[in-house]
Amino acid sequence: GAVVSQHPSWVICKSGTSVKIECRSLDFQATTMFWYRQFPKQSLMLMATSNEGSKATYEQGVEKDKFLINHASLTLSTLTVTSAHPEDSSFYICSAKLLRTSGRRDEQFFGPGTRLTVL
Amino acid sequence: GQNIDQPTEMTATEGAIVQINCTYQTSGFNGLFWYQQHAGEAPTFLSYNVLDGLEEKGRFSSFLSRSKGYSYLLLKELQMKDSASYLCAVRAFTGGGNKLTFGTGTQLKVEL
Repeated sequence: GAVVSQHPSWVICKSGTSVKIECRSLDFQATTMFWYRQFPKQSLMLMATSNEGSKATYEQGVEKDKFLINHASLTLSTLTVTSAHPEDSSFYICSAKLLRTSGRRDEQFFGPGTRLTVL
Repeated sequence: GQNIDQPTEMTATEGAIVQINCTYQTSGFNGLFWYQQHAGEAPTFLSYNVLDGLEEKGRFSSFLSRSKGYSYLLLKELQMKDSASYLCAVRAFTGGGNKLTFGTGTQLKVEL
């Protein structure tokens, strides 16, 4: 259980285009999903917290108009990179929070990631 | 904010034991996670500590001292497939809920 999928797994696009990445919780409902970005040989940096039915909360320094997040249902959140540029090339990983009543309360499960390359 | 430190790289021999340390400074501490990440893949959960002490899970163990802001991940009977990056992540409660912050990761190389 607690599987999170991402689509696409990799994408190459031209500079100036927009790219949409989907994150789905396959066997549980996730009221909260998180979007991370990871540059080569660096750790995961939280970009934003996505809450179902409400606006996302962005971390400091992340442009909300460039990285559009929509959490339309309890199993789907999308990240759209608008007007992508080469510096947006990165590994984007989502995670979904599973609410537990005991143990690892509020544990996050990670998707397999999406490799974005902007030419 | 939070500050999480762990060594950048470590090398160990197959069959040996290795300890990866992590120190942190945070307010609202609400648990510490260790994840394994192979290149180009998402992190996978290894261990979780919220109380002081040692948690053992097969070849992997993790220790936490909240008063010292210190944790370590212990890997026994190292195998070549254990070569990966190991991420220490601290969960803290902020005004908006729990937030997970990752360290920069320790790249472990297991050699013959």
